[in-house]
Parts: sequence; structure tokens; C-alpha cells
Amino acid sequence: AAGVIQSPRHLIKEKRETATLKCYPIPRHDTVYWYQQGPGQDPQFLISFYEKMQSDKGSIPDRFSAQQFSDYHSELNMSSLELGDSALYFCASSPQALSYEQYFGPGTRLTVT
Amino acid sequence: LAKTTQPISMDSYEGQEVNITCSHNNIATNDYITWYQQFPSQGPRFIIQGYKTKVTNEVASLFIPADRKSSTLSLPRVSLSDTAVYYCLVGDIGDSSYKLIFGSGTRLLVRP
Repeated sequence: AAGVIQSPRHLIKEKRETATLKCYPIPRHDTVYWYQQGPGQDPQFLISFYEKMQSDKGSIPDRFSAQQFSDYHSELNMSSLELGDSALYFCASSPQALSYEQYFGPGTRLTVT
Repeated sequence: LAKTTQPISMDSYEGQEVNITCSHNNIATNDYITWYQQFPSQGPRFIIQGYKTKVTNEVASLFIPADRKSSTLSLPRVSLSDTAVYYCLVGDIGDSSYKLIFGSGTRLLVRP
């Protein structure tokens, strides 16, 4: 069965650089969530989209932005990167907006040096 | 959102049944209980969800008492590959967003 695809899987950036993470949800899933998991920490919700519209916002820094496109894939744009942004970034998709059953991708490991 | 409390860690042996209990004393009427499993450096994986009494699927069972102030995830006959972090989440089915709010999970170690 198709799963959530995230790219790239690994990314190394320097401080103050920008990064773009991509997420391709499972086909026919119209809801996408982004989570950040720092080393040794629990996943933290960043932002979500339903039918290409932002549906909720969590602890996402103002330096980050995201959007969902017409084909339902989503991109997380991160600017002015800081060392503390080093983390695993997970994208999850859901077949409907009203469900706690989410399917997570393999994550993008971002390292900021 | 209701706060959840779980044991920080648990140890078990292969073949045993493992029960992880989660406390959620201030659970609201519309809240559902969901459990996720996470292996190191992998995304969390949905295990099971329930509202009351008992729910069972091919992976686990979820027991919820009548007062719903706690829930117990039961993993039958665990294997080494069940070593992971298990998260209990409580969320309102009536919310406009179904974001997952992860608390501190339970680190389960299964020994040979």
C-alpha cells in the first residue's frame, strides 16, 4: 500500500539558510499535518491543512511557513535556520479531516550547523 | 485537551502480555482515546482508538472503564520488535482540528 512520502530524507544546512521540506500524502488523503521532533523529545504539532486550506496552527515559528497544493502535497518552508531547528520533521496524512488516525511519513532529518 | 499520565518505562519478556495504563482524569465527554507506537527515528504509528468499554484489533486491545478516567493498552504476547515508545492521546472528536498532542510516552523494552 502507498505510504506518505517525504523528501528529502536528510538535509544539512547552515545557520541562517533556508530549507524546504516536501510531503506527498497517501492518495485520496486530503488532510496533512506537520510535526517536529527534537532529539530525545516527543513530537510537537506544527501546522495542518485540509483541502488546501490551513486548518490549525501549533508551535510553528514565524520563520516557518507551509502550504498545501492542488495535488494535496505540502511543503514546509523554513527560513533563517537556527541550531535549535535541528530535528526530525514528520508529515502525516489522514483520509478525512475528522480523524485521529494519521499515517506518518518516514520523516526528514534536518541538521543545522 | 485532557492531560494524560503514563509510566515512563516498562520492561517485559518475549511472549508475555503487556498492559500499559494511561490516566486521563479530566477527560471530556467528547474525547476519544488514541494510542500510537513509535520506533526510534520513525514516524508514530496508529495502534488503536476507542471511546468506552473495549476495542480490539489485530494488533492490540484497548480497555476503557465506565468512568473513562483511564485506559489500558494491552499487547498480547509481545516480541522483541514491540520495543518502542507508546503514546496515549486524548482528543475531542468535535474539534475543528485533529492534531495529535503527544505527551511523554511509555518506553517499552522487551527482553529475550
